[in-house]
Amino acid sequence: DARVTQTPRHKVTEMGQEVTMRCQPILGHNTVFWYRQTMMQGLELLAYFRNRAPLDDSGMPKDRFSAEMPDATLATLKIQPSEPRDSAVYFCASGLSGWDEQFFGPGTRLTVL
Amino acid sequence: GDSVTQMEGPVTLSEEACLTINCTYTATGYPSLFWYVQYPGEGLQLLLKATKADDKGSNKGFEATYRKETTSFHLEKGSVQVSDSAVYFCALSETNFGNEKLTFGTGTRLTIIP
Repeated sequence: DARVTQTPRHKVTEMGQEVTMRCQPILGHNTVFWYRQTMMQGLELLAYFRNRAPLDDSGMPKDRFSAEMPDATLATLKIQPSEPRDSAVYFCASGLSGWDEQFFGPGTRLTVL
Repeated sequence: GDSVTQMEGPVTLSEEACLTINCTYTATGYPSLFWYVQYPGEGLQLLLKATKADDKGSNKGFEATYRKETTSFHLEKGSVQVSDSAVYFCALSETNFGNEKLTFGTGTRLTIIP
């Protein structure tokens, strides 16, 4: 059963610390999305990649957030330094060019104290 | 820019009641329209979709019809179950080429009571 996996599932950290979230897309999928979900803002697209190249990262605060795909099986989202307002659930989703459906991972719940 | 407006929640219904969650959209082109569902503690999953005007998407007893004249894609179910309790998101994708950006509505939390 192919699934998107995300690690860690939960992360509690202190303000100013670096946070790295990882995502393993479904094998063979060539498009990867990062979303952030909060009660106030709902679901926001942070960035997305196709064939490991960033296509759009306009939703991401550039001064502290960075997203990469070191290889086709791993996507990372890094926050440095973290702030309390970054507390949210971060979702990764993957898909395949030519198909509409995005497959979401279970999310990483981040709490920044 | 593109936008999706969803019915405000939360919505609470009794089991076997009829459900309608309203969704309207604004888009410059001819978007594909989607309903995603998020069960507690999980990521979103596709519930149904429609890619052109007058298409009807359906799955698990849920239906939605792409209405271009009213720019709407309302989600309906004739008889809800406790297991339908979840958050429902309406979304659109501006291109029809697949896996471009999705614009989501704010989500509607649905609770079904026995």
